[in-house]
Amino acid sequence: GIQVEQSPPDLILQEGANSTLRCNFSDSVNNLQWFHQNPWGQLINLFYIPSGTKQNGRLSATTVATERYSLLYISSSQTTDSGVYFCAVEHPNSGYALNFGKGTSLLVTP
Amino acid sequence: DSGVTQTPKHLITATGQRVTLRCSPRSGDLSVYWYQQSLDQGLQFLIQYYNGEERAKGNILERFSAQQFPDLHSELNLSSLELGDSALYFCASSVGAARRQETQYFGPGTRLLVL
Repeated sequence: GIQVEQSPPDLILQEGANSTLRCNFSDSVNNLQWFHQNPWGQLINLFYIPSGTKQNGRLSATTVATERYSLLYISSSQTTDSGVYFCAVEHPNSGYALNFGKGTSLLVTP
Repeated sequence: DSGVTQTPKHLITATGQRVTLRCSPRSGDLSVYWYQQSLDQGLQFLIQYYNGEERAKGNILERFSAQQFPDLHSELNLSSLELGDSALYFCASSVGAARRQETQYFGPGTRLLVL
């Protein structure tokens, strides 16, 4: 099946810092989503971004489908940004299932 | 709030028992997906239903089954439970039109603990 690798696995930031999270995938994809799992376990949609660039407030994402990677940028981080960030992709041969990476665990300290 | 609801939020049961998890998709969504999140396996796709019919199957054990009812809600049945079935079970939904790129929206999850 398709491989989804996220880096870094863990990240500690001070409030106000910027960060870039990376997602590499091993094959072409139909769909790519970024999620934030908060400390209560809820998975929150951040972006649907199979290609191109999108921005939503302090967050933005870029997917370069031809080179099989996506980046999630967090600017001016806040403590509420803490949690795990997942990249998930839909492979053409896996039906509509999302294949998740192992996530990047982010801790933002005051 | 994603608009996807799941009940119950928490479930504690014993090995060998059977439980049913329930999911109501967002209004208008025809597709329902089930995912399992465990410490050792991460987030894994289990099964998808579209308008009442099974559409895709992932790493779902034979002890697990699911269905989608005419009102589009879905149930995931887990039987002969083992300690390793303890996990967070998510339901997601999407519009489900054939071969259209679309976002999956996740419910809050059901946290299952098997003792």
